[in-house]
Amino acid sequence: DVKVTQSSRYLVKRTGEKVFLECVQDMDHENMFWYRQDPGLGLRLIYFSYDVKMKEKGDIPEGYSVSREKKERFSLILESASTNQTSMYLCASTKGSTLWTRETQYFGPGTRLLVL
Amino acid sequence: SQELEQSPQSLIVQEGKNLTINCTSSKTLYGLYWYKQKYGEGLIFLMMLQKGGEEKSHEKITAKLDEKKQQSSLHITASQPSHAGIYLCGADPLDSGAGSYQLTFGKGTKLSVIP
Repeated sequence: DVKVTQSSRYLVKRTGEKVFLECVQDMDHENMFWYRQDPGLGLRLIYFSYDVKMKEKGDIPEGYSVSREKKERFSLILESASTNQTSMYLCASTKGSTLWTRETQYFGPGTRLLVL
Repeated sequence: SQELEQSPQSLIVQEGKNLTINCTSSKTLYGLYWYKQKYGEGLIFLMMLQKGGEEKSHEKITAKLDEKKQQSSLHITASQPSHAGIYLCGADPLDSGAGSYQLTFGKGTKLSVIP
């Protein structure tokens, strides 16, 4: 089974702090994604990565950056946390590099971030 | 961009009752995914549908994609408390065999099952 893990389930930070959220997958997947989930807005894609050191902006990248130095690990960085970044953050991955096949995104358990 | 409308937004049913959740798009649905989320947790993949008229079942959950590929339904037979959670549909916006990197998600349907 695919396993996607996230470094923290709950996190409380103060405005202005630098925040790191980490995601690790153990199935040698090429593609990894970061979403945030908010009531009434659903899931929104922040960034995704299709290879080591490669990244693409999603729908709401402002205020976030990402890092993918190793294939299994994808980090989301809040350079200076703000209260409007309080949210549930979900990481996902897909196998990638398979032609003519739609791939299922597998999700981690989520990190609930509260910025005070 | 593609938008997915889920209905109802929330649902409360008595244990043992059947229920249906719908996911509708104004554009063609390619690669329609159903996920379940327990409160405060990640998404668990349920099923993926690609072809018009396709139907898949797993235990007591059946998902269908209509012939026009603009609506999908998720049907639960004889609901149990373990079915409670938020059900989300996600769609691949591209009609390509390889799919795309991004999925568009509906806002979810919250299901409560009363024992």
